Amino acid sequence: AQSVAQPEDQVNVAEGNPLTVKCTYSVSGNPYLFWYVQYPNRGLQFLLKYITGDNLVKGSYGFEAEFNKSQTSFHLKKPSALVSDSALYFCAVRDRVSGNTPLVFGKGTRLSVIA
Amino acid sequence: DSGVTQTPKHLITATGQRVTLRCSPRSGDLSVYWYQQSLDQGLQFLIQYYNGEERAKGNILERFSAQQFPDLHSELNLSSLELGDSALYFCASTPATNTDTQYFGPGTRLTVL
Repeated sequence: AQSVAQPEDQVNVAEGNPLTVKCTYSVSGNPYLFWYVQYPNRGLQFLLKYITGDNLVKGSYGFEAEFNKSQTSFHLKKPSALVSDSALYFCAVRDRVSGNTPLVFGKGTRLSVIA
Repeated sequence: DSGVTQTPKHLITATGQRVTLRCSPRSGDLSVYWYQQSLDQGLQFLIQYYNGEERAKGNILERFSAQQFPDLHSELNLSSLELGDSALYFCASTPATNTDTQYFGPGTRLTVL
């Protein structure tokens, strides 16, 4: 069975500092990995995905994520946080060999960027 | 704007009642997914339809049902509502393949009193 763990419910970071939101996954085969962001009273918005190829994936709004197969991790990063990055972030995984299965989401990490 | 629309935006109803939530996928997308988001359970996958056929089922209660119509819009029916059904309900759509990103609608906030 597929699963995702986001070990931190809340991450606080000062504006201008680098940020990291952690995600680890478990799948039986090779994963497709995704990050989504949810702003208050809005639906989830796609940020970036890893399918294959370069382990460092660049996405929207200056975010990037690094796929680490040995550590089964896909941490989200940004070099310099903005107050407007404050939101709820979800990591999601799909097993590449399971057919057209739905995404499995983590419980989410609330990012708070303080001015 | 993701291109996925959901109506209504808010719904307030009483226990025991039945409601219908509607989702229109992005133009050309064949797959529709329904999710429930609550404070204690996070984002839970309910059910997926592909081109009118049920494709996958998640943690969907027997009191809940869904369908996808020939024009590809989908409806989620929730019956015998309980207080614990209060949540945000999202739908998402994709064209078809496994690698495709899911695009989410703005959600319907259901409050059961």
